[in-house]
Amino acid sequence: DTAVSQTPKYLVTQMGNDKSIKCEQNLGHDTMYWYKQDSKKFLKIMFSYNNKELIINETVPNRFSPKSPDKAHLNLHINSLELGDSAVYFCASSQTGFGDTQYFGPGTRLTVL
Amino acid sequence: GQQLNQSPQSMFIQEGEDVSMNCTSSSIFNTWLWYKQDPGEGPVLLIALYKAGELTSNGRLTAQFGITRKDSFLNISASIPSDVGIYFCAGQWKNQGGKLIFGQGTELSVKP
Repeated sequence: DTAVSQTPKYLVTQMGNDKSIKCEQNLGHDTMYWYKQDSKKFLKIMFSYNNKELIINETVPNRFSPKSPDKAHLNLHINSLELGDSAVYFCASSQTGFGDTQYFGPGTRLTVL
Repeated sequence: GQQLNQSPQSMFIQEGEDVSMNCTSSSIFNTWLWYKQDPGEGPVLLIALYKAGELTSNGRLTAQFGITRKDSFLNISASIPSDVGIYFCAGQWKNQGGKLIFGQGTELSVKP
């Protein structure tokens, strides 16, 4: 009974391509997040959505576009991939926002060649 | 942007030893949290702290929310091999949509 799932687990692609990462949570949470973990393991928030509404957009290039078709899903689409986009991307969810435990997915390792 | 200073960056210890790591920030947080990340997995919450001065335990783990609200520490007592992983502190403000600000992580290795 996976709580937060992401697909794919690994994604290898060429520079310039467009790719998507999908995230689903079955916890009934209202808030979902995307975090990026770089090669030095540093974790930084990218976006958060509450009930399908964008709440946080942390000055991420507009090549990154999150989409929330419903509150259980938050997908991340990336256009014109660059070498620097290589990282592990984590989806997370929480019941609401502040003060609620965030549950993280297993991550998607994106490699741009 | 805002960053937490977490130390040490890595630790190599013998099984049974106690471990201590800490985080400091230039700004005040409303909540401090400690996460653990195993290889190939996402971070998992260990302890959450909500009030300045709060001391909370979770099994062999103990964490404290600093009085100034700008720091926190995590202690692990009697370490075991499965404690291996990366430990992250994180701070959170109210009215920021639940955003977590993470430290750089402490990579813990435990020698049996």
